[in-house]
Amino acid sequence: GENVEQHPSTLSVQEGDSAVIKCTYSDSASNYFPWYKQELGKGPQLIIDIRSNVGEKKDQRIAVTLNKTAKHFSLHITETQPEDSAVYFCAASGSILTGGGNKLTFGTGTQLKVEL
Amino acid sequence: DAGVIQSPRHEVTEMGQEVTLRCKPISGHDYLFWYRQTMMRGLELLIYFNNNVPIDDSGMPEDRFSAKMPNASFSTLKIQPSEPRDSAVYFCASRRLAGDTGELFFGEGSRLTVL
Repeated sequence: GENVEQHPSTLSVQEGDSAVIKCTYSDSASNYFPWYKQELGKGPQLIIDIRSNVGEKKDQRIAVTLNKTAKHFSLHITETQPEDSAVYFCAASGSILTGGGNKLTFGTGTQLKVEL
Repeated sequence: DAGVIQSPRHEVTEMGQEVTLRCKPISGHDYLFWYRQTMMRGLELLIYFNNNVPIDDSGMPEDRFSAKMPNASFSTLKIQPSEPRDSAVYFCASRRLAGDTGELFFGEGSRLTVL
């Protein structure tokens, strides 16, 4: 099955700096890569996603890049703010052809702390 | 919309007791997922339903775990008998779209502690 690795596990940045979180996946047939943000005591919430036919996608201060050849994708947060502090999860969805289309495999999470 | 509603939010029980976790998905969503979150293993998919029918339960750890979805607005995850290693946060999520697309909407989770 799909295996998703995520780095770093913790990340501390100063307010206003950029933060980058990286993930790799194993199934070359995966074609959907969402990112979820989880605040303390809450469930994960989708913040951005990208599909395999797109190399980069941006939404205000958040951007995601995808390199299918290398099987890795990254989350970039610019101009970080204290409210960006949370745990971020990357995920990959397997191929419909192999029955994985509805099964998201999550990375292990990155605890981001934005310091004042 | 109220979002995905889970109950209880917290449950503390003793080893050997039966635990039932409940979920109400967002109205109109035809997929429902149960995930388990632990520090060691992260977010793991346990089982998911499509139109109330279990599609894939390969993530259910063992026979002590069972899940049902009697109708489109209600699902349960049962652990019987419970063990300390079942301690985790259990999330229910729902979504509308099929295939590789579609946002998962998570509930706030049920934190289970088995003593």
